[in-house]
Amino acid sequence: DGGITQSPKYLFRKEGQNVTLSCEQNLNHDAMYWYRQDPGQGLRLIYYSQIVNDFQKGDIAEGYSVSREKKESFPLTVTSAQKNPTAFYLCASSINASPLHFGNGTRLTVT
Amino acid sequence: GQQLNQSPQSMFIQEGEDVSMNCTSSSIFNTWLWYKQDPGEGPVLLIALYKAGELTSNGRLTAQFGITRKDSFLNISASIPSDVGIYFCAGQRDTDSWGKLQFGAGTQVVVTP
Repeated sequence: DGGITQSPKYLFRKEGQNVTLSCEQNLNHDAMYWYRQDPGQGLRLIYYSQIVNDFQKGDIAEGYSVSREKKESFPLTVTSAQKNPTAFYLCASSINASPLHFGNGTRLTVT
Repeated sequence: GQQLNQSPQSMFIQEGEDVSMNCTSSSIFNTWLWYKQDPGEGPVLLIALYKAGELTSNGRLTAQFGITRKDSFLNISASIPSDVGIYFCAGQRDTDSWGKLQFGAGTQVVVTP
């Protein structure tokens, strides 16, 4: 079955540590996205990539970094510079202007 | 980025009742999308709207793209327990910004038997 796999489902880290969230898709989609979700708020775009080896900042990129070395993979690193890293992170993909298809998210808790 | 104004914030309804929610913006959008999210899961697309005035149905769901292109509504008819969840609207301004969606804050729907 095609889809987007985010791992792990839950992640716990100590403050000051960098952490990388995985996102893999086997939908052959060109574009991939990372969104952040906080309680009672809509999703906010962190980074997106429309093609391999290229990515663009979204609305809240500060404190995050990404890479897109392969079409299937778009990992997100939450760095120690991110002031409020605890959130639910959602990865999505799309192709040819189709609506975004989301993964099931990773809940990151930083203490 | 600007977020859309989505209302109501939450709804408590009895099984069988109809549900209506809407999103408004001060900006024009070329695409409106409605997603549903279950707890701990990612949003799932319900309906996509691409043309001003468009009215689209998906089973018991009906959504419309406002004629001004600044609003959209979603109706759920004859609600059932599995309709419980958070419903999000999302808008996209132009084709150059595909995937860069602006999201509403969501409408929490609770259905009681």
